[in-house]
Amino acid sequence: QVQLVESGGGLVRPGGSLRLSCATSGFTFSDYYMTWIRQAPGKGLEWVSYISSVAGSRYYADSVKGRFTISRDNARKSLYLQMNSLRAEDTAVYYCARYVVVAPAAYADYFGQGTLVTVSS
Amino acid sequence: SYELTQPPSVSVSPGQTASITCSGDKLGDKYVCWYRQRPGQSPILVIYQNNRRPSGIPERFSGSNSGNTATLTISGTQVLDEADYYCQAWDSSAGGVFGGGTKLTVL
Repeated sequence: QVQLVESGGGLVRPGGSLRLSCATSGFTFSDYYMTWIRQAPGKGLEWVSYISSVAGSRYYADSVKGRFTISRDNARKSLYLQMNSLRAEDTAVYYCARYVVVAPAAYADYFGQGTLVTVSS
Repeated sequence: SYELTQPPSVSVSPGQTASITCSGDKLGDKYVCWYRQRPGQSPILVIYQNNRRPSGIPERFSGSNSGNTATLTISGTQVLDEADYYCQAWDSSAGGVFGGGTKLTVL
């Protein structure tokens, strides 16, 4: 079955950096787009970024553009999110999700359990 | 930027029909999907491409999208359907936009 397991969350000071990872199994990773979605404590879902199956296309929300970088390693079946210049408002649970793109439709059909990132001094 | 608007809360009695709306400019021209999130759990997809159900999602879940409004309809609502529901659509400028979420209460 499809499994997505995030790691790398934790407490970081404002201005600091963190790298999230998402290990996958149960599907052909290289066939799928992947995405990161986050949820601040007690708030709604916010789409963060996606990457195409061969990493040719990357897309970012305005709120993270220029600070976050999404990447993938198809040989390791893993997704990453490098987060720099972190701010308090980046505090959230970060979900990795498999992303199905049938233009112009796009939807996340499987989510991981999430990893908590806390930005605080 | 593109915005999707949902009512903060919807209440329904068990066995009745719940309707959750999602509004956005010319939303009918886009494809909408819906997610359910129970407290402390990850979201799950319940409707994609406006009205298609993933395997494992009961037939009582249906969706529609026309004009400026998409609607998630849950027929014969059960207590286990109580959760937060989020709509999402892809916008070429704003990316994967989510609605603010609707808390469905079944009582």
